[in-house]
Amino acid sequence: QSVLTQPPSVSAAPGQKVTISCSGSTSNIGNNYVSWYQQLPGTAPKLLIYDNNKRPSGIPDRFSGSKSGTSATLGITGLQTGDEADYYCGTWDSGLSAGVFGGGTKVTVL
Amino acid sequence: EVQLVESGGGLVKPGGSLRLSCAASGLLFNNAWMTWVRQAPGKGLEWVGRIKSINDGGTTDYAAVVKGRLTISRDDSKTTLFLQLNSLKTEDTAVYYCATGYCSVGSCAFDNWGQGTLVTVSS
Repeated sequence: QSVLTQPPSVSAAPGQKVTISCSGSTSNIGNNYVSWYQQLPGTAPKLLIYDNNKRPSGIPDRFSGSKSGTSATLGITGLQTGDEADYYCGTWDSGLSAGVFGGGTKVTVL
Repeated sequence: EVQLVESGGGLVKPGGSLRLSCAASGLLFNNAWMTWVRQAPGKGLEWVGRIKSINDGGTTDYAAVVKGRLTISRDDSKTTLFLQLNSLKTEDTAVYYCATGYCSVGSCAFDNWGQGTLVTVSS
C-alpha cells in the first residue's frame, strides 16, 4: 500500500491528452514539492517534473505538472506511442521522515 | 554527463547480508545527496534510504521497512555510495537503484539514476 495514491492505469488515443492524479496528505504533498518520473519498460526511471511543475532540461513541454492542496497532477498532451510507460509521483513525507512514491500509473496509447 | 553504476547484486539466502556499491562520475560527488530506491519484480518504486552530503552533515534516513537492517554510507574519496542490508528477507528481492538529488523537508526529486542491480533473496 503506497503512501501516495495513483490510478493503476489511464489510456487515450495518439494525439490526445491524459492526466494522472496523485493523492496524498498534509504530511507529504500538502507541504512538500512533488516530482514525477517516467519509467519505460526495462529501464530506470527518468525525472519528468520537479518542484510541482518544473521540467528538467530536455523534457518536452507536452509534460506538465500541477499541485493543489494534497493532490498533484501530471498532464501529457499530444500523446505518442513512445509515451507508453509507467509514471510515478514522489515527494517527502515529513511525518515518516522518508521519501515516498505513488504506486505508479501505466499509460497506454490506444 | 552524470553516470551512476550499481554493482554487487545477485542471489542471497534469507537471513544473509548484501553490500551494494554505486560508482558515480560526472558530478561533484561530495556535494551530492544520494538515495537508494528499489523495485520488486512487477511492482512500483520504493524509497529505501538516503544519505546527505558531508557538507550537509552526512546523516541518513531510512524507510521504516528496513530500519535497523540497513546502513547507507559513502566514500567521497572514491565517489562511491554503499548499501549494506542485513537479515535479508524474501521481500527484499528487487532491483536496487541509486539516484542523486535533494530529498528532505520541502522537496524530493531524483535527477540521475543508475541502471539498477538485481538482488534475489531465495533459499
